[in-house]
Amino acid sequence: EAGVAQSPRYKIIEKRQSVAFWCNPISGHATLYWYQQILGQGPKLLIQFQNNGVVDDSQLPKDRFSAERLKGVDSTLKIQPAKLEDSAVYLCASSLLGGMGTEAFFGQGTRLTVV
Amino acid sequence: QKEVEQNSGPLSVPEGAIASLNCTYSDRGSQSFFWYRQYSGKSPELIMFIYSNGDKEDGRFTAQLNKASQYVSLLIRDSQPSDSATYLCAVNGGAAGNKLTFGGGTRVLVKP
Repeated sequence: EAGVAQSPRYKIIEKRQSVAFWCNPISGHATLYWYQQILGQGPKLLIQFQNNGVVDDSQLPKDRFSAERLKGVDSTLKIQPAKLEDSAVYLCASSLLGGMGTEAFFGQGTRLTVV
Repeated sequence: QKEVEQNSGPLSVPEGAIASLNCTYSDRGSQSFFWYRQYSGKSPELIMFIYSNGDKEDGRFTAQLNKASQYVSLLIRDSQPSDSATYLCAVNGGAAGNKLTFGGGTRVLVKP
């Protein structure tokens, strides 16, 4: 079974530029999560999709971050414009249903550096 | 108050000893509790999950859940240097619904 795929693995951009990350979840997984993990901290949920609907985006900075999951499969997360404090690893995860006890599987992440 | 709290550590344990990690959560209605391990520079991977009060054992790992006191713990028996990592507690259910919320993680160092 193929895992969660993310690209790119690394990205360096200047502040105020835009950047996009892509995630392809495990086949058949209805729930997709985007997390931001700043060095030394736990993952912070940015947005959670169930199929192509948003379950939670309460911590997504909507003035600069956007995400979509077209057709309920792969997803993109965009930052425009980027700030220095956006430097972090962006983790995508997926789970079968997202309900009680369902395991979330993580991709390798995208390490973003904003200079 | 943070939704899920963990001591950041580092927790230093000698090889062969028991490592004990704790996690508290604020939402009394939370239903599912997960322990993930994250090696430096890698993504989190699930160690085990628990949703009933009491203990659950899997190999050298034991998860303990006490919903009345709103804490979940992880014991690592016979700790090995390869267990050196950050351990993340995650919670879902309750008022947060299916939202999966992580704590800040506890760094564990197992010294030979």
